[in-house]
Amino acid sequence: DGGITQSPKYLFRKEGQNVTLSCEQNLNHDAMYWYRQDPGQGLRLIYYSQIVNDFQKGDIAEGYSVSREKKESFPLTVTSAQKNPTAFYLCASTAGGQANTEAFFGQGTRLTVV
Amino acid sequence: GENVEQHPSTLSVQEGDSAVIKCTYSDSASNYFPWYKQELGKRPQLIIDIRSNVGEKKDQRIAVTLNKTAKHFSLHITETQPEDSAVYFCAARGHTGRRALTFGSGTRLQVQP
Repeated sequence: DGGITQSPKYLFRKEGQNVTLSCEQNLNHDAMYWYRQDPGQGLRLIYYSQIVNDFQKGDIAEGYSVSREKKESFPLTVTSAQKNPTAFYLCASTAGGQANTEAFFGQGTRLTVV
Repeated sequence: GENVEQHPSTLSVQEGDSAVIKCTYSDSASNYFPWYKQELGKRPQLIIDIRSNVGEKKDQRIAVTLNKTAKHFSLHITETQPEDSAVYFCAARGHTGRRALTFGSGTRLQVQP
């Protein structure tokens, strides 16, 4: 079953903790993205990667970090520097080369600070 | 960078009526404009997209129009059904520079039976 998989579906974080959200795709896509969605709002870009071993900051990168060591994987770490991390996090991927290709989304991770 | 504005934020229609959602974008270099539907707690799913070399595209009850000069594009849903109720997002992406989708803030569509 091809697609993009995020885990876990729900995640709880204590104040001051770092947590890592997983995103894996088997679509052979070159580009991967992380978005944050707050209630009643659109999707805001955190980080994106057009190719392995390279990534760029999006609009709200502060308090987050990523890595892209493998084509299939693009994990997102929410650090303690992110003051308001409670949100729904969506990972997406697109085929590389062309900009006008469909973005496929994972099912999301809902992160809650407790 | 790109900025996408979407209106209205909420839209309520009677079953069978049409619904129109409008978006404007700021970067004239953007050339890809998808529309996503998101049901509560689920992932966004592409329903239709349009590229900058096309002015209109239709898929059954859904159509999208693009006006490059005015930098706006619209989603049209005809003969709405209760299962069309969801949040709809427009987005824009360029072919150079930051090739990531920039999303509008979303429209919550409620179709009343």
